[in-house]
Amino acid sequence: DTEVTQTPKHLVMGMTNKKSLKCEQHMGHRAMYWYKQKAKKPPELMFVYSYEKLSINESVPSRFSPECPNSSLLNLHLHALQPEDSALYLCASSQDRSRDQGSGELFFGEGSRLTVL
Amino acid sequence: KNEVEQSPQNLTAQEGEFITINCSYSVGISALHWLQQHPGGGIVSLFMLSSGKKKHGRLIATINIQEKHSSLHITASHPRDSAVYICAVGGSEKLVFGKGMKLTVNP
Repeated sequence: DTEVTQTPKHLVMGMTNKKSLKCEQHMGHRAMYWYKQKAKKPPELMFVYSYEKLSINESVPSRFSPECPNSSLLNLHLHALQPEDSALYLCASSQDRSRDQGSGELFFGEGSRLTVL
Repeated sequence: KNEVEQSPQNLTAQEGEFITINCSYSVGISALHWLQQHPGGGIVSLFMLSSGKKKHGRLIATINIQEKHSSLHITASHPRDSAVYICAVGGSEKLVFGKGMKLTVNP
């Protein structure tokens, strides 16, 4: 199984709603990532989890709250979002966190397309 | 100047043509990634390479570390190859992405 599964595929929410995006992988990968991608732009790194601990937060607003319940699951909790937060949210995983060694091939999910009204 | 430059930015080809996508980077790297993204879809990792050449099916990726340049070649292109191809450099944690190249292959 070389898949990263993201749910839901599409989400529409109001600015006062609370919702969550979910990501799952069963490849035994110990690093998991959230990226945000706006239309016609490259992905932007949001969070990195390594061995279930948050290792990088790229100055993401607190209305985005990540959670890694176990090594296979990664959640992104959303609260009080703004319309400009509408984007494709991509989850990815790699065998291990790799700042420099380049040993971390990334496996991406299909993404969750979020629309904030 | 962007750290990762891709050329061309857009390319339209006819089915069956040989296609080359280029990537130049200005930072020191340990690995370069070629990624594919279909419209509205997720990203697929095509190659990760740090030297030489890799081949997978009709796709070939090469890298020249001294010249800080990589190419992705598609042989016998097909309409299903239509996608955005993204070059990214670095370790997996801190990838620096190029802006992508939109490829359209017409039947």
